[in-house]
Amino acid sequence: NAGVMQNPRHLVRRRGQEARLRCSPMKGHSHVYWYRQLPEEGLKFMVYLQKENIIDESGMPKERFSAEFPKEGPSILRIQQVVRGDSAAYFCASSPGTNTEAFFGQGTRLTVV
Amino acid sequence: RKEVEQDPGPFNVPEGATVAFNCTYSNSASQSFFWYRQDCRKEPKLLMSVYSSGNEDGRFTAQLNRASQYISLLIRDSKLSDSATYLCVVISGGSYIPTFGRGTSLIVHP
Repeated sequence: NAGVMQNPRHLVRRRGQEARLRCSPMKGHSHVYWYRQLPEEGLKFMVYLQKENIIDESGMPKERFSAEFPKEGPSILRIQQVVRGDSAAYFCASSPGTNTEAFFGQGTRLTVV
Repeated sequence: RKEVEQDPGPFNVPEGATVAFNCTYSNSASQSFFWYRQDCRKEPKLLMSVYSSGNEDGRFTAQLNRASQYISLLIRDSKLSDSATYLCVVISGGSYIPTFGRGTSLIVHP
């Protein structure tokens, strides 16, 4: 049973480009969470999704950021027109239900140059 | 007041020491509690769940105090490999979102 898979592990984008981060949850997990972590800081919640539904996106900036979790395929976090401040580690976690342990992927480290 | 608060440390202890971390949470409707461990530039990894009656896993003991709204983690006989950041996680009924504290840094030295 593979763990949570994120790709790419490292992503470099120039200012103004788009970044697409992918997350495949653990088998049997239908709940996906995205977090952002800046150096020396804690994990900040961005968005919570279930298959085909955004449950809570209160932590995600209203502009330039979007997320989806389609019926087939991985969850995608999309950042349009990236700026230097978007540089961070983006972690995805999945769980089989609510109020249960969440398991993390290895993260995608986004660098905007 | 932050939803989940932890002393950032660092806690600097010698091998073999016993060390304890506390974490406070603000939402009295919180339902589930966990400790995670995060090594530098790695993903958080689940260390243990925290149950109302308290629970132990080897050298690690976790406890929950609902009345005072805090959870604790006790590490006995510290090893060099225990050096990491320990993250307190709370899930509140209603939001179902795992909310993380900023973490407590532990450094175990020879």
